[in-house]
Amino acid sequence: DTEVTQTPKHLVMGMTNKKSLKCEQHMGHRAMYWYKQKAKKPPELMFVYSYEKLSINESVPSRFSPECPNSSLLNLHLHALQPEDSALYLCASSSDYYEQYFGPGTRLTVT
Amino acid sequence: LAKTTQPISMDSYEGQEVNITCSHNNIATNDYITWYQQFPSQGPRFIIQGYKTKVTNEVASLFIPADRKSSTLSLPRVSLSDTAVYYCLVSFSGGYNKLIFGAGTRLAVHP
Repeated sequence: DTEVTQTPKHLVMGMTNKKSLKCEQHMGHRAMYWYKQKAKKPPELMFVYSYEKLSINESVPSRFSPECPNSSLLNLHLHALQPEDSALYLCASSSDYYEQYFGPGTRLTVT
Repeated sequence: LAKTTQPISMDSYEGQEVNITCSHNNIATNDYITWYQQFPSQGPRFIIQGYKTKVTNEVASLFIPADRKSSTLSLPRVSLSDTAVYYCLVSFSGGYNKLIFGAGTRLAVHP
């Protein structure tokens, strides 16, 4: 199984809502990542988890809160988002020294 | 991490070979060169990775000169389905694989 799954595929939320994005992989990878991608722009790294510990936070606002419950799951909790946070949110995983496998993404719209 | 520079866009025709060159002047000794492909509204997909000289797989070849300050992705006999954005990245592996995406090259393949 070389698949990274993400749910939901689409999410519309108001600025006062709390929602969560979920990511799952069963490849035994010990590193997992969240990226944000705006239209016609490259993906931007947000967070990196290595062995279930947060290794990198690329100065992401606190309204985005990552969580890694176990080695297969990665969540991104969203609260009080702004319309400019609307984007495609991508999850990825990798093992040491090898390529990252990306999920299909969650298309988030903040109204 | 080394910054990469690649052409913003390229055009080609079906059946032709496409070469996309990327410069990475500040590449470090432990860095690898990796290429990803991305279709609209999908996560990036790993194409090929190399450290030096030449690497070939079933979809592409990667040429890296001795000084490693540039690299060339070669796509043989492209088809319409190869129309996508191609990202050149320099990646460091140390328990996780931190990727910083540049602007990428938009390849358009015409009939």
